[in-house]
Amino acid sequence: GAGVSQSPSNKVTEKGKDVELRCDPISGHTALYWYRQSLGQGLEFLIYFQGNSAPDKSGLPSDRFSAERTGGSVSTLTIQRTQQEDSAVYLCASSAQGRSYEQYFGPGTRLTVT
Amino acid sequence: DAKTTQPNSMESNEEEPVHLPCNHSTISGTDYIHWYRQLPSQGPEYVIHGLTSNVNNRMASLAIAEDRKSSTLILHRATLRDAAVYYCILRGRGGADGLTFGKGTHLIIQP
Repeated sequence: GAGVSQSPSNKVTEKGKDVELRCDPISGHTALYWYRQSLGQGLEFLIYFQGNSAPDKSGLPSDRFSAERTGGSVSTLTIQRTQQEDSAVYLCASSAQGRSYEQYFGPGTRLTVT
Repeated sequence: DAKTTQPNSMESNEEEPVHLPCNHSTISGTDYIHWYRQLPSQGPEYVIHGLTSNVNNRMASLAIAEDRKSSTLILHRATLRDAAVYYCILRGRGGADGLTFGKGTHLIIQP
């Protein structure tokens, strides 16, 4: 079946502009995660959605970062007033349940802030 | 989530078995041991997970020490496609819901 998809695959933006990154999880998966990976680094957890519960935003690095998940499916990660240090690959993952179940990752969005 | 320790890199020959170690001496009784791998320019991919008993699936085997303070991911017959960074991750009931990835082990496969 279809996996996790993300768009765009690449995004180049100027410092100070806002960007929106989209994630389409696997159909039926109730849990959705956002991570980012800077060059040569491991993954950094950003935010987690589980069903209709309030999201776990504990990993968001600043208030310029926000995310929504509409209708329990598609999610959008928004970065306002982008900075050069925001340049990274942003990865989305979904899972069938939550903590104990394997996560399926999308291909990521490579964000470059110039 | 408790911390894991893995070698920075390992090298193996194609068609030979590979044993990737992971130390997790502070593991709690409810922590699951998960392994993911990340191929170049791709998102991470789930490999296997276990709690106490050894586990096998189509991709690999997971051998868990009796005291659970270490585990080994076993690739029975490595191919060039197995060249990736392998991450050992602990996930507990009380831990954060997001995965905590360390630096992992960079596995190099020689033809």
